[in-house]
Amino acid sequence: GEDVEQSLFLSVREGDSSVINCTYTDSSSTYLYWYKQEPGAGLQLLTYIFSNMDMKQDQRLTVLLNKKDKHLSLRIADTQTGDSAIYFCAESGSMDTGRRALTFGSGTRLQVQP
Amino acid sequence: NAGVMQNPRHLVRRRGQEARLRCSPMKGHSHVYWYRQLPEEGLKFMVYLQKENIIDESGMPKERFSAEFPKEGPSILRIQQVVRGDSAAYFCASSPGQTDTQYFGPGTRLTVL
Repeated sequence: GEDVEQSLFLSVREGDSSVINCTYTDSSSTYLYWYKQEPGAGLQLLTYIFSNMDMKQDQRLTVLLNKKDKHLSLRIADTQTGDSAIYFCAESGSMDTGRRALTFGSGTRLQVQP
Repeated sequence: NAGVMQNPRHLVRRRGQEARLRCSPMKGHSHVYWYRQLPEEGLKFMVYLQKENIIDESGMPKERFSAEFPKEGPSILRIQQVVRGDSAAYFCASSPGQTDTQYFGPGTRLTVL
């Protein structure tokens, strides 16, 4: 079945860049997503990328997709203490299969040191 | 445009009781998804519904769990005879149906004593 993996923890200093990595197994994935979850809160959609794209930039966020290696990354430039949270990578299935459920990684806890 | 709404935000039940979790999708969204997040884990898909239809329930436990999305009113996730292992955060998401982007509610945190 589908699987998504992420490293569990990342610690950076305020002002540095953060890079959170994710690998997935389903080569037919249509969209790949990054969600942010703060303690006790729901999931906030940060950004997503369509599978035929290599890169997407949105202000401080840059998403890179290597479809050949099934590797997705999220770069946060000029990381702030408010960026401290858990970041989830998720993928959705192919339009052809009709699978609509998202498969999530276990989340990467980003800790930003002042 | 209000976001996805879930209530209650926190629910405490004793073993053997029933839990009812409600989800109101974003305005204009007719597709609803339920996910469960166990402590320190990612979200796991449970069920996908459109109005009056269950489309995909492949992630639902076979017993005690049911879901509905009636023509009028919110979607309901019902857990009968709760056990301690049901303690988790239950998230609802909705989408307009034409794209895959799902928007999540704040979740219901269920605690079973």
